[in-house]
Order: sequence, then structure tokens, then C-alpha cells
Amino acid sequence: DAGVTQSPTHLIKTRGQQVTLRCSPKSGHDTVSWYQQALGQGPQFIFQYYEEEERQRGNFPDRFSGHQFPNYSSELNVNALLLGDSALYLCASRGQGENIQYFGAGTRLSVL
Amino acid sequence: LAKTTQPISMDSYEGQEVNITCSHNNIATNDYITWYQQFPSQGPRFIIQGYKTKVTNEVASLFIPADRKSSTLSLPRVSLSDTAVYYCLVGSEKTDSWGKLQFGAGTQVVVTP
Repeated sequence: DAGVTQSPTHLIKTRGQQVTLRCSPKSGHDTVSWYQQALGQGPQFIFQYYEEEERQRGNFPDRFSGHQFPNYSSELNVNALLLGDSALYLCASRGQGENIQYFGAGTRLSVL
Repeated sequence: LAKTTQPISMDSYEGQEVNITCSHNNIATNDYITWYQQFPSQGPRFIIQGYKTKVTNEVASLFIPADRKSSTLSLPRVSLSDTAVYYCLVGSEKTDSWGKLQFGAGTQVVVTP
């Protein structure tokens, strides 16, 4: 049983570019959340998707957007990249009615 | 969402027991307490979850007093590989707060030989 998988593992972009990160939830899970983790800090919640809709959102600008597909996989899109967007981006999934959220290994984004 | 407070860092020697206490004074009736472990450049890994009293699994124990305003994660006989950041989080499926778990800075545990 595969856990939460994220791709790519690492990514390097330049300022102003756009990036798409991908996440496949753990088998049987239908809710996906995205987090940004800057170096030395705890993960910060970006948004959560359920039934292909954004259900909750953290304090992130509209440059951060997402999508959930019918198979529950999800994408995180970031437009007009800034140097400050350099971070580890984490995807987490859980099943409805469950209290445990499982995380992927993350995508390390570097913006130059 | 209930705010949590935990020590910034703890040092230990191999073979000792490590206890990390987390305060969550505003915990709600439906909230569960969950602990995660994170190694550098990896995603947080679920360790243990509990609601009240004591929970034990193959990795750790979680002690929760009757008032539930705090909890203690106990790591028995730590090894060098237990060096990591440990996060305490509080939330509930019923209040739909799990999706926006509020991570603090966590507790950096350093185990030395």
C-alpha cells in the first residue's frame, strides 16, 4: 500500500516563473492538504481539497492555487514565483471521518 | 484551533527515556492529540494519537491527564536515529480542523552517544 507520493522531489525555478507540484494521496484517502515549510520552521497550512473543491485556506496569496482530480490526486500551482517561495512543500492526506493525517516526503522548491 | 506550547529543544543520551510535554490549555471536547516526528528534508511522520489517559504503540507512549490540558510523549530507550523535531498538534475531524493543522516550531530532540 503506497503512502502519500509527491513529485518532483526537487525543483529549481527562477523568479517570476510558475510551478506545478503533484500529490497522490494514500490509498483510500479523499482529502488532501498542502503545506509550505520554510527552513527551520514548522509547516504552514496552504489549503485543503475535498470532493474536487477547495474547502479551507490558510493565509497565502492568490498566487497559490490548487486542484483536485476525480481520483483524489492534487496539484499545487504557484504563479509569479518569489525568492521567498523557496521551501519544502508538503502534501498530506486523510480519509473522511479519520483523525490521522499522513504526509508525503515533500517537494523541495528553490527559487533563484 | 487550540494552540500548543512545547519546549524548543531537549538533549538526551542513547538508551535514556525522553519525555516531551505539550501544553494545550484551550483543547476542545472533540479534539484529539497527535504527535509527529520529522527528519530534515522529509515529511512529518505520524507517531501516536490519543484522546485521554494513556496510549502506547511500538514506538512511543502518550500520557494525557484527566483535564487534557497537557500531554506527554514518551520515547523509551532512544537511539541516535531518534534525533528529530517532534510536533504536538491538536484537532478534530468533527470540527474539520485537521486539514489546517497548526504546527508550531516543534521540539528538537538531539540524542548523543
